[in-house]
Amino acid sequence: GQNIDQPTEMTATEGAIVQINCTYQTSGFNGLFWYQQHAGEAPTFLSYNVLDGLEEKGRFSSFLSRSKGYSYLLLKELQMKDSASYLCAVSLSLGYGGSQGNLIFGKGTKLSVKP
Amino acid sequence: DSGVTQTPKHLITATGQRVTLRCSPRSGDLSVYWYQQSLDQGLQFLIQYYNGEERAKGNILERFSAQQFPDLHSELNLSSLELGDSALYFCASSPVPTGYTFGSGTRLTVV
Repeated sequence: GQNIDQPTEMTATEGAIVQINCTYQTSGFNGLFWYQQHAGEAPTFLSYNVLDGLEEKGRFSSFLSRSKGYSYLLLKELQMKDSASYLCAVSLSLGYGGSQGNLIFGKGTKLSVKP
Repeated sequence: DSGVTQTPKHLITATGQRVTLRCSPRSGDLSVYWYQQSLDQGLQFLIQYYNGEERAKGNILERFSAQQFPDLHSELNLSSLELGDSALYFCASSPVPTGYTFGSGTRLTVV
């Protein structure tokens, strides 16, 4: 079966740095995604890792180790608006016509940023 | 606006009824994915269509079915509804080469 684990909840302080971990055990791997989801809203794409290493994108960075089945999302200079759920997702296969295959999501980590 | 359009935004219906959720993908995207998100569950993959054909199936109940039409819009049909089917239903389409773009979802409440 497919298993993606991430902490259920985390709390951090405005201006601080927080790291959200994700471990996965899946049959097949074609990339790891991070999404942000505010309550009641659609998930929005944050980052994509297909090779090992760190991908940096402004205040957000994502790291992948395929041999360890491990990824993390690093959020710097936290702002109140970063309070949201962060979803780790694995693409199990290549899609058709170059599109992504179906993504399997973890249950998400609810991050609360406090003043 | 993500470019993925879902209707209706909210739906309240009674147990045993049947509903149809509609999704129009971003212009040029051939793949459509349907997901269900309940309060205590993450996003659960239901089904994927690519250019009118079913390509992958996840945890979709037999009471649920979907199709993708020649104009690439997709419909998810939910029948014999139960209280436990109350959830947010998201449709996503897949640009190249990054991940999905999600629609704003349909919140289904079964009473």
